[in-house]
Amino acid sequence: NAGVTQTPKFQVLKTGQSMTLQCAQDMNHNSMYWYRQDPGMGLRLIYYSASEGTTDKGEVPNGYNVSRLNKREFSLRLESAAPSQTSVYFCATQTGNSNQPQHFGDGTRLSIL
Amino acid sequence: AQRVTQPEKLLSVFKGAPVELKCNYSYSGSPELFWYVQYSRQRLQLLLRHISRESIKGFTADLNKGETSFHLKKPFAQEEDSAMYYCALVYYGQNFVFGPGTRLSVLP
Repeated sequence: NAGVTQTPKFQVLKTGQSMTLQCAQDMNHNSMYWYRQDPGMGLRLIYYSASEGTTDKGEVPNGYNVSRLNKREFSLRLESAAPSQTSVYFCATQTGNSNQPQHFGDGTRLSIL
Repeated sequence: AQRVTQPEKLLSVFKGAPVELKCNYSYSGSPELFWYVQYSRQRLQLLLRHISRESIKGFTADLNKGETSFHLKKPFAQEEDSAMYYCALVYYGQNFVFGPGTRLSVLP
């Protein structure tokens, strides 16, 4: 039972390159989220998906796109990477019911040169 | 708008001393609140939730609606408590807002 799995764990990109971060869960949760974590700013929500087939913007969606491929998978795409997108990215899931916590993946450490 | 504040970026205490990590929130509805902990270079893990009124690893947190606070407390800090702590508010069932985090450093 892996929970929430993110790939890759580390990546270095050049400015302008594109990349997709993958997230898969085996918890049968309805809701999935993408956050970025930056020093002094905590976690900021990029996009979320309340259920399969739906996605919504979070606090900092610019420069990103997402796909909820099925219930298990929620990917985050950077079409043209910028140095400001250097961050640690976390995927999280939640059942979709109130009062339930989020469960996090191990994170992807992304550096844009 | 919903907001979570954690006024201390860094909190340093000596081993065995009491520790209190502050969290305040702004939300007009009935809040659901959590504390998460992140050890060095690891994933965020749920520490405790206010509805459970539980004690995990010696930590407790009480919701004070009058002061809109959910401070995390432990009477005797241990070195292994050194980590990043995040307070989180959930509203409408599945929308989460995280505070900026407090780094706790427990000194020997």
